[in-house]
Amino acid sequence: GAGVSQSPRYKVAKRGQDVALRCDPISGHVSLFWYQQALGQGPEFLTYFQNEAQLDKSGLPSDRFFAERPEGSVSTLKIQRTQQEDSAVYLCASSLEGPGAYEQYFGPGTRLTVT
Amino acid sequence: QQQVKQSPQSLIVQKGGISIINCAYENTAFDYFPWYQQFPGKGPALLIAIRPDVSEKKEGRFTISFNKSAKQFSLHIMDSQPGDSATYFCAASSYNFNKFYFGSGTKLNVKP
Repeated sequence: GAGVSQSPRYKVAKRGQDVALRCDPISGHVSLFWYQQALGQGPEFLTYFQNEAQLDKSGLPSDRFFAERPEGSVSTLKIQRTQQEDSAVYLCASSLEGPGAYEQYFGPGTRLTVT
Repeated sequence: QQQVKQSPQSLIVQKGGISIINCAYENTAFDYFPWYQQFPGKGPALLIAIRPDVSEKKEGRFTISFNKSAKQFSLHIMDSQPGDSATYFCAASSYNFNKFYFGSGTKLNVKP
């Protein structure tokens, strides 16, 4: 009965480097969400997948952010040319059902620090 | 525009007391209101959730009160314990939305 797992748990990147953050959702969960949580703030939506289809990417802050879920299970959030303002905890959540009105199970997050 | 406003930012309660956290929303399309608990270094974990067809939902020491006309909902933690010390987030969503809108969080400290 594994929950949502994320790796790495911590990532330090120099400004300008590319990073890739991985999310393993709960097996069988249709929906997968990425959120960004700045220090002392609530999570903010980045993007949503239903199976392999990215149905909403309205929260991605710039075209440096890219997410994929090619086989409808594992997802990767990629940030190109990282900037200091990208420093945050990146949370992944999965849900058994479709859109947003169902329980979302969160992973422990990846803390990204850009120096 | 912040979709969900949460208060207070921080709260100190004595052991055995009642902790109350409030949230307000604007979008009347919201129809699902969860509360999440987050410990340092962990992801948010669902505590309790309510839909607007009821005015109150209780699970153990945790109660959500919901006021549809005022567009407000609150979390009450009865008999607060030091182990309840965490950050609490309210959120709102709808079947038609693909995301949760979270409040800014309340850091609760329950003193022994």
